[in-house]
Amino acid sequence: GENVEQHPSTLSVQEGDSAVIKCTYSDSASNYFPWYKQELGKGPQLIIDIRSNVGEKKDQRIAVTLNKTAKHFSLHITETQPEDSAVYFCAASKGFGNEKLTFGTGTRLTIIP
Amino acid sequence: DTAVSQTPKYLVTQMGNDKSIKCEQNLGHDTMYWYKQDSKKFLKIMFSYNNKELIINETVPNRFSPKSPDKAHLNLHINSLELGDSAVYFCASSDRIPPQNIQYFGAGTRLSVL
Repeated sequence: GENVEQHPSTLSVQEGDSAVIKCTYSDSASNYFPWYKQELGKGPQLIIDIRSNVGEKKDQRIAVTLNKTAKHFSLHITETQPEDSAVYFCAASKGFGNEKLTFGTGTRLTIIP
Repeated sequence: DTAVSQTPKYLVTQMGNDKSIKCEQNLGHDTMYWYKQDSKKFLKIMFSYNNKELIINETVPNRFSPKSPDKAHLNLHINSLELGDSAVYFCASSDRIPPQNIQYFGAGTRLSVL
């Protein structure tokens, strides 16, 4: 089955700096890669996603890149703000018809004011 | 209006008891899921139902039995609770619009087995 590894497990950055979280996946059939943000006491919430036919996607301060050959994808947050502090999860699935999401182990991001 | 709602939010019970967690979604989605998040925050899928039919069943002990009375509800019943069942359980739903599968999560139910 699919295996998703995520690094680092914890990350602290100064407010205003950039944060990068990296994930690798094992199943080359995976074609959908979402990123979820989980705030304290809440459920995970989708913040951005990317499909395998796209190399990069950006939404304001958040961007995701995908390297299908190397089977890794990354989340980039620029101009970090205190409200970005949360646990971030990457995930992978084979898309429609096989929607099981396999999650990475999470990254606790702390923004230092 | 909460899109995916779970009840209760907290559940404290003794080992050996039977308990249920309820989940309802008002998004009109056909597919619902149960995930377990352990103390290290690791999220793992347990079950998935599409239009009341079981489509994903990970290697979960048969003490866990999901029940879907209709496509807007997916309840989780747990028999003979064990200490290791202590975790946060999340319900989620999705619309299965190809090619992606955006899943929307509830706020979770924190289960503590004493």
